Amino acid sequence: SQTIHQWPATLVQPVGSPLSLECTVEGTSNPNLYWYRQAAGRGLQLLFYSVGIGQISSEVPQNLSASRPQDRQFILSSKKLLLSDSGFYLCAWREGGPGNTIYFGEGSWLTVV
Amino acid sequence: GENVEQHPSTLSVQEGDSAVIKCTYSDSASNYFPWYKQELGKGPQLIIDIRSNVGEKKDQRIAVTLNKTAKHFSLHITETQPEDSAVYFCAASYGSSNTGKLIFGQGTTLQVKP
Repeated sequence: SQTIHQWPATLVQPVGSPLSLECTVEGTSNPNLYWYRQAAGRGLQLLFYSVGIGQISSEVPQNLSASRPQDRQFILSSKKLLLSDSGFYLCAWREGGPGNTIYFGEGSWLTVV
Repeated sequence: GENVEQHPSTLSVQEGDSAVIKCTYSDSASNYFPWYKQELGKGPQLIIDIRSNVGEKKDQRIAVTLNKTAKHFSLHITETQPEDSAVYFCAASYGSSNTGKLIFGQGTTLQVKP
């Protein structure tokens, strides 16, 4: 069966520091991968998606970047965090092709202080 | 741009009653509509989904209906139980179907009182 792992689960970082959140998926190949952000009490906003290694699409202008160095690995990064980057970050995956279900990881809580 | 409106934002029901959450979407090309349940501090879990070629789908106490003409879809939970308490999100697909992009509603906090 497929599983998704996301870490770290919680993170407190000072303003201006770098960020790296990592996500890996097991039990599937060539998945579509996604990073979503959820502000407190709000819905989920798509930040990045990837349909293959090295292929990254950004949905909103922001202070963050994403990379996919391996087929089942997706990384969310920032060189210098802002206070507004605080939130709950969710990695998700689905099998490639149309109409398939998206599955979410357990999320990473980021607090920028 | 694409948008999904979800109502109500909060819903409180007595155990055993039914709960209904409604969503409207703006993109007439949307063809996939999942519903997710999110418990505090956890990632969303898919509970049911419906595709545009189907008007209704049921899974035990949960059902979803879709009205493509009106661009409405709704989640129905019958015989609610305290463990149904959570935040529920609707979503609609947008863009190329191969990308799997979803736009989410703002969520409904459901409280089931014992």
